[in-house]
Amino acid sequence: GQQLNQSPQSMFIQEGEDVSMNCTSSSIFNTWLWYKQDPGEGPVLLIALYKAGELTSNGRLTAQFGITRKDSFLNISASIPSDVGIYFCAGQPWTGANNLFFGTGTRLTVIP
Amino acid sequence: DVKVTQSSRYLVKRTGEKVFLECVQDMDHENMFWYRQDPGLGLRLIYFSYDVKMKEKGDIPEGYSVSREKKERFSLILESASTNQTSMYLCASRSGPERDTQYFGPGTRLTVL
Repeated sequence: GQQLNQSPQSMFIQEGEDVSMNCTSSSIFNTWLWYKQDPGEGPVLLIALYKAGELTSNGRLTAQFGITRKDSFLNISASIPSDVGIYFCAGQPWTGANNLFFGTGTRLTVIP
Repeated sequence: DVKVTQSSRYLVKRTGEKVFLECVQDMDHENMFWYRQDPGLGLRLIYFSYDVKMKEKGDIPEGYSVSREKKERFSLILESASTNQTSMYLCASRSGPERDTQYFGPGTRLTVL
């Protein structure tokens, strides 16, 4: 299946810093989902976006559905050590499509 | 909250054994999925099901089969396990088509010796 372009691949940041990552696609998407995965665990859904331009927050996390419908970004403000993990995006290319396309993941390391 | 559970967190099997991985969801979702996740390869779809007794091949179905006898349960079967099937297996359940959201189980780490 198609993979989405996600960047950066990895980030090393100091505790308290803000983080930004994004996903892009060559096709238009109807849904963007952002997940976090801890080592040895399944991905946990953080934020779901359904409309172009939509901006949604979940605590210190904010995600936006790009106006072009071909991208999305995730911001984490004031990072803490438990933010460590792999973040990845997923998108649904059209309404009713059975499968999602996944980003390659951003590995976040937070240095205390 | 949606709950997707998988029967085992860790499994160790021998080459040639038949392996069953079970997944149960409690949200009456139509769609269920099995993925495997390997370093550097990301999530790859093995099979999915959009209704009871219905199944569709994903990107890498070879060596696997599935069963969906009840809406809440989706099983992945390795007919004859091989070492290259050592992986993390993730089940997912999906609402939709409106407000489409996909939820994952905790994963099963399978090692085939």
